[in-house]
Amino acid sequence: QKEVEQNSGPLSVPEGAIASLNCTYSDRGSQSFFWYRQYSGKSPELIMFIYSNGDKEDGRFTAQLNKASQYVSLLIRDSQPSDSATYLCAVSTPGAQKLVFGQGTRLTINP
Amino acid sequence: DTAVSQTPKYLVTQMGNDKSIKCEQNLGHDTMYWYKQDSKKFLKIMFSYNNKELIINETVPNRFSPKSPDKAHLNLHINSLELGDSAVYFCASSQGAGIQETQYFGPGTRLLVL
Repeated sequence: QKEVEQNSGPLSVPEGAIASLNCTYSDRGSQSFFWYRQYSGKSPELIMFIYSNGDKEDGRFTAQLNKASQYVSLLIRDSQPSDSATYLCAVSTPGAQKLVFGQGTRLTINP
Repeated sequence: DTAVSQTPKYLVTQMGNDKSIKCEQNLGHDTMYWYKQDSKKFLKIMFSYNNKELIINETVPNRFSPKSPDKAHLNLHINSLELGDSAVYFCASSQGAGIQETQYFGPGTRLLVL
C-alpha cells in the first residue's frame, strides 16, 4: 500500500463547476496535510495546509480532513481554466521530518 | 527576487559522467531539501539538511552526494550517471524541519542522461 494515494486522473471538470480532489494516507499518526499545485513544466506551489479535522476555506479552495477515515480532500469552487494543473497531496508525520507526496491528480477545466 | 534558485535549469549528459546541481535560497530558511520527480510526476524526497547538518537520507544510491556549505546553499553531486537518473530534481527550503513547515520549491533541474 502506498503511503499517500491519489487518483491520477485525468479529472475533467466544466468551467464554473466544483472540482473535488481526494487523497488517502496510510500512517494514522500523520498530523500535517498539504495541497500543492504544479503547472506543467513548473515547480510545486503550496495552495493550502490543514492540521485539524474539518474544513478549512481559503477563497475558492476548501480543504477537508477526516483523520478517522484517513483522507484529505480539496474542493475548488467556480473552477477556472487557470486551475488546470496537477494537484499533489503531501502528508507529514511526527518523527519522520519529511513530506510524503502522492502521485498527483491531473485536473483539466474545460471552458 | 528569486526565493529558491537552482542551476542549471537543464542538463543533458552521457551515461557515466559526473555532474552537479546547485541550489540557493534567500529566504533565511534553516532547512533545505532535494527531491526527485520521475516521468510519472511522483515527487520523492532524497535528502534534507537542517543548518548544514544532514537529517534525512532516503534510500538513494551512494552515487548521489549532497553538500551544504552553509544553510543558504545545498548542492547535489551525482557520480557515474545512469539512464534511470533522468528526472527533474527540485530543491526546496523551509523555515525549520518541523512537520508543519511549508516547503518552497525551486524551479527544478531537468536532467536527461543519454
